Amino acid sequence: DAGVIQSPRHEVTEMGQEVTLRCKPISGHDYLFWYRQTMMRGLELLIYFNNNVPIDDSGMPEDRFSAKMPNASFSTLKIQPSEPRDSAVYFCASSATQGRSQPQHFGDGTRLSIL
Amino acid sequence: KQEVTQIPAALSVPEGENLVLNCSFTDSAIYNLQWFRQDPGKGLTSLLLIQSSQREQTSGRLNASLDKSSGRSTLYIAASQPGDSATYLCAVSRAQKLVFGQGTRLTINP
Repeated sequence: DAGVIQSPRHEVTEMGQEVTLRCKPISGHDYLFWYRQTMMRGLELLIYFNNNVPIDDSGMPEDRFSAKMPNASFSTLKIQPSEPRDSAVYFCASSATQGRSQPQHFGDGTRLSIL
Repeated sequence: KQEVTQIPAALSVPEGENLVLNCSFTDSAIYNLQWFRQDPGKGLTSLLLIQSSQREQTSGRLNASLDKSSGRSTLYIAASQPGDSATYLCAVSRAQKLVFGQGTRLTINP
């Protein structure tokens, strides 16, 4: 299995620009998660989807952040306009509903730097 | 609000030693607890998942225990190897939401 695929791996852009992060979950997984990792706050859940529907976006920091999942094999996380404090590593993860608890499988992340 | 704490933040031991990493959480109403490994520049790899009704899980040289009532979990690594060097994170879940600790950075010295 290919695993969770994220792109790009690295992104450097100037403040105010739109940033789009992409994720392809593992085929057959019906849950998709977006996380952000920083030194100060650790790993935080931003939003998660079930069967392409957003279930909980309470972790999304501001209206500048938005996420979509147009189909079962693709999701995006957008930041518009970007700010230096958005610099972090953004992870996408997916899991399957097979019984109550299944491990989440993580991608390698996108390292985002906003100048 | 669930809070997860991992102690120590960093640990350095010689190769071959057995070691224990600790995780504590404030709310015992969890569905499961997971231990992950993170290598530099990489994502997280799930090591062990313990359901709330279980006491422990084992995989190879790894053994994880869960004491829900006291809000504690431990990850035991037997016969440590340099390849075990990584950051280890524990996470507790309620429904599908994971709350992570800050991790323990483990270094195994040859």
